[in-house]
Amino acid sequence: GENVEQHPSTLSVQEGDSAVIKCTYSDSASNYFPWYKQELGKRPQLIIDIRSNVGEKKDQRIAVTLNKTAKHFSLHITETQPEDSAVYFCAANTNTGNQFYFGTGTSLTVIP
Amino acid sequence: DAGITQSPRYKITETGRQVTLMCHQTWSHSYMFWYRQDLGHGLRLIYYSAAADITDKGEVPDGYVVSRSKTENFPLTLESATRSQTSVYFCASSESQGPQYFGPGTRLLVL
Repeated sequence: GENVEQHPSTLSVQEGDSAVIKCTYSDSASNYFPWYKQELGKRPQLIIDIRSNVGEKKDQRIAVTLNKTAKHFSLHITETQPEDSAVYFCAANTNTGNQFYFGTGTSLTVIP
Repeated sequence: DAGITQSPRYKITETGRQVTLMCHQTWSHSYMFWYRQDLGHGLRLIYYSAAADITDKGEVPDGYVVSRSKTENFPLTLESATRSQTSVYFCASSESQGPQYFGPGTRLLVL
């Protein structure tokens, strides 16, 4: 099956700086890659996603890039704010069975 | 998010008891999922369902049973609860190749 690895596990940045979280996947059949933000005590919420026919997608301060050849995708957050502090999960999804395979999460802390 | 709900939100039970966690979605999504979330393990898939009456095991199915007689409901039953099943349980739903949406979660404590 698919294996998704996520790095780093923890990340601290100063407010206003950028944050980058990276994920790799193993199954070349994976073609949909969502990112979730989970605040303490809350449910994971979708923040951005990308499909395999697109190399980059941006939504205000958040962007995701995908390199199919290298099998990796990244989340970029610019101009970070304290409210960006949360745990972020990447995931990969294949056509087969519609299973989502999650990374182990990155705890992001934005220091005011 | 309001389209997927879970009950109860909090549950305390004793080892050996049967517990059922409920999940209901109003979007008519084909797929539904149960995850457990523990510190250091992220989200682990317990069971999933592609449609009514179709279910399949995920990564950690032992000790759990699911059913899906209606598209909108996907209950998860712990047949004989153990302390190792203390966790936060999330239900989710999606269409095929579509975004997955999570319920608010159920915090389960097994004493």
